Amino acid sequence: QKEVEQNSGPLSVPEGAIASLNCTYSDRGSQSFFWYRQYSGKSPELIMFIYSNGDKEDGRFTAQLNKASQYVSLLIRDSQPSDSATYLCAVNTGNQFYFGTGTSLTVIP
Amino acid sequence: EAQVTQNPRYLITVTGKKLTVTCSQNMNHEYMSWYRQDPGLGLRQIYYSMNVEVTDKGDVPEGYKVSRKEKRNFPLILESPSPNQTSLYFCASSYDRGGGYTFGSGTRLTVV
Repeated sequence: QKEVEQNSGPLSVPEGAIASLNCTYSDRGSQSFFWYRQYSGKSPELIMFIYSNGDKEDGRFTAQLNKASQYVSLLIRDSQPSDSATYLCAVNTGNQFYFGTGTSLTVIP
Repeated sequence: EAQVTQNPRYLITVTGKKLTVTCSQNMNHEYMSWYRQDPGLGLRQIYYSMNVEVTDKGDVPEGYKVSRKEKRNFPLILESPSPNQTSLYFCASSYDRGGGYTFGSGTRLTVV
């Protein structure tokens, strides 16, 4: 079983809609949870992180964490064509970080 | 500008010829790490370092070496590269092991 699992997609949403990206993790001891965006041919860039159960909002982005279900999600409101990218979920367990394989998102104008 | 600098960006080499990929960060971060990214496999951690002279293996350390003699630098060494090490490599740093990474621009390595 992989440490972090994501649906690879592709996920397509129309411009202005809400994009919902999901991630599950296997280690209940995981402490920190991250979402990165990676444009094709570029390096990953951090969007946001969450440590505690519940929601965390930053502009158009909301991260949701449910430790009991070992589930992390990212909501992108008012999706824009510039949000088209691969979104990587990452989990910190002990001294290591584990990444999912990413979900490809396309926002259709 | 706060950044992680990797060199070179592209490298083609032959099997068995030792190479080093350099990584330097200017943010005084304690935690540094190397990843390789392969299609369908995602980012896999090769080695990480929690501070100067403290390094440890990640999930795929075979065929790689690292050193951390100074806080800012964390080079990745392939002593005898093989074709299965052809990949996109990223160096990343974080203020500590619980924080988010800043990634370098990546090094695309081809071993023929």
